Amino acid sequence: KQEVTQIPAALSVPEGENLVLNCSFTDSAIYNLQWFRQDPGKGLTSLLLIQSSQREQTSGRLNASLDKSSGRSTLYIAASQPGDSATYLCAVGLNNFNKFYFGSGTKLNVKP
Amino acid sequence: DADVTQTPRNRITKTGKRIMLECSQTKGHDRMYWYRQDPGLGLRLIYYSFDVKDINKGEISDGYSVSRQAQAKFSLSLESAIPNQTALYFCATSDADSYEQYFGPGTRLTVT
Repeated sequence: KQEVTQIPAALSVPEGENLVLNCSFTDSAIYNLQWFRQDPGKGLTSLLLIQSSQREQTSGRLNASLDKSSGRSTLYIAASQPGDSATYLCAVGLNNFNKFYFGSGTKLNVKP
Repeated sequence: DADVTQTPRNRITKTGKRIMLECSQTKGHDRMYWYRQDPGLGLRLIYYSFDVKDINKGEISDGYSVSRQAQAKFSLSLESAIPNQTALYFCATSDADSYEQYFGPGTRLTVT
């Protein structure tokens, strides 16, 4: 079974800081990896999707990288803002296309 | 209008009651999923469907059933609700090519 781990579970940083969130997975036979943002009481908003053949994706201040061989992905947030405060989840899609496995998330607090 | 909608958004019910959660989507995706989210456990897959005639169990299907009434509609039922089914429930769809997932806003279910 695929295990997905996100470290740290919680992170508090001052506004303007660059930060990295980590996601690790145990089975490297993945189809894709998706990063989501979840605000309290809300659904999940897709941030970035990386296919297994890609090494990174960028959207605005966000950059996600993927290293299948080491079973790791990182989400880099540049120049953090209070509006970035949310829980960030990664999800791994397996090669058999059937299932996605989620990490338990990193709760980010960006202080003004 | 939202691409993936869920009803109800909040529900409180008593142990032993039957309850149905509904999901509709306008994205035209064939693949639909039901997840539950518990604090500290991430999202876990309950059921998934790749088309109207294809229903599959996820990792935690016991105590749940589903119905795919049409391409756009996927319902989750709790036949006899129990307190440990108290959770946040999400419906999701995915694109057939990239497998990018799109989530509804969630239903908060409390079983007393």
